[in-house]
Order: sequence, then C-alpha cells, then structure tokens
Amino acid sequence: DGGITQSPKYLFRKEGQNVTLSCEQNLNHDAMYWYRQDPGQGLRLIYYSQIVNDFQKGDIAEGYSVSREKKESFPLTVTSAQKNPTAFYLCASTSAPGQGTNTGELFFGEGSRLTVL
Amino acid sequence: LAKTTQPISMDSYEGQEVNITCSHNNIATNDYITWYQQFPSQGPRFIIQGYKTKVTNEVASLFIPADRKSSTLSLPRVSLSDTAVYYCLVGRRRSNFGNEKLTFGTGTRLTIIP
Repeated sequence: DGGITQSPKYLFRKEGQNVTLSCEQNLNHDAMYWYRQDPGQGLRLIYYSQIVNDFQKGDIAEGYSVSREKKESFPLTVTSAQKNPTAFYLCASTSAPGQGTNTGELFFGEGSRLTVL
Repeated sequence: LAKTTQPISMDSYEGQEVNITCSHNNIATNDYITWYQQFPSQGPRFIIQGYKTKVTNEVASLFIPADRKSSTLSLPRVSLSDTAVYYCLVGRRRSNFGNEKLTFGTGTRLTIIP
C-alpha cells in the first residue's frame, strides 16, 4: 500500500546525542515536510524539500538538519544543539499539480515521539 | 504567507452541527483553504479544500465568503469520534516553480459531549 512510513515510533535519547528520524514515502511525491508538535500545541515547520538535493528551512530549523538524496526519503537529524528536542515529530509529503486528483493535500506519517532523558 | 486565526477550543453535543471559523485576512489570490483533522498521537488528515463559495463532501462542508478573508468548516451531526483538533491551512497548491512553505496555525480543539 502507498503511504508514508516514519521510524522509529518511539525514541529515547540522552542529552548531547544526535538522533536521526527516518521518513520514507512510496507515493512518488516530490515535496516532503518535517513538523514538530509539542503537547497541546499546533504543528511547527522544521524543514521542507520540494525536490531532490534541495531543502529549505522552516520556522524552527535551529538544531535540526535534513538531507534529500532520494525522492522517497527525507531523514531528520535532531542534533545536540537542539535545546529542547522532546516532542512529537511528523513527516508529510504532497504531490505536484496534475498528479491524479491532486488537491495539494499533505499526507502524514504516524509520527515519531522523541524523549530526551 | 497568509496567517490563520482560529478559536482555541469548542464544545458541542452529539448530533449537533458544528461550525468552526478560520480567519485569514491576508489570503493571496492563488491561495486555497484546506482543513485537516488530527487525533491524539496521529498525523493530521485532509478533510476538505476550497477556493471560494461552498464545497461539500461526504464528511463536511466548507463555506468561503466572497472576500475570502475567512472560512467556516461545517460538520453535520457530530459524534464522539469527531473529537479532535481541526486545522485551517492557507496556501498555494504546490507548484513546480518555487517553494511552498506550508505552515499550520494552532488549530481548534473540538470536544463532543455525549
């Protein structure tokens, strides 16, 4: 089945460690996004990528890094520079106009919950 | 990018119609309005999208006045399973030219009361 897969679902990290969250999609979507959600809050944009080998900072990119070497993959690294990384991380993708019944809607993964010990 | 404003929370009883309004005063000519629903510990999912006037699908209706500075999501005869956070998102349909920064607001937490 087509969709977006995020892993791991739960992750624990010690302070000072970098961790990488995986996001893979088989929807043939060009654009991919990473959001962060804190308890009781909305989604905040970390990074987004419209095409392979290109990505842009979102509203809260500090302490995070990404890569887009393949169309289907957009991993997010939470670095030790991120001061408060405990949060729920969501990856999403969307297609370009003209693809199917495209509304430009975002398709989300099930999320990765990161806890810093 | 158009900023959106929604009520933080709303309560409603089962079986009633619920209307959630989103304000987007700076909406651009090419912007569409999209609503998403999010359950706890899940990613948001698409509900409905519109550009102007009224759009209806099997789960909701979207009303957009002529000036497009606001929009109203209407959920008919809500049930307990409609308890969720609802987000209004304003932006262009993705283009092959340039980047589209899709930013969510704080959303509206809807609680359905038995």
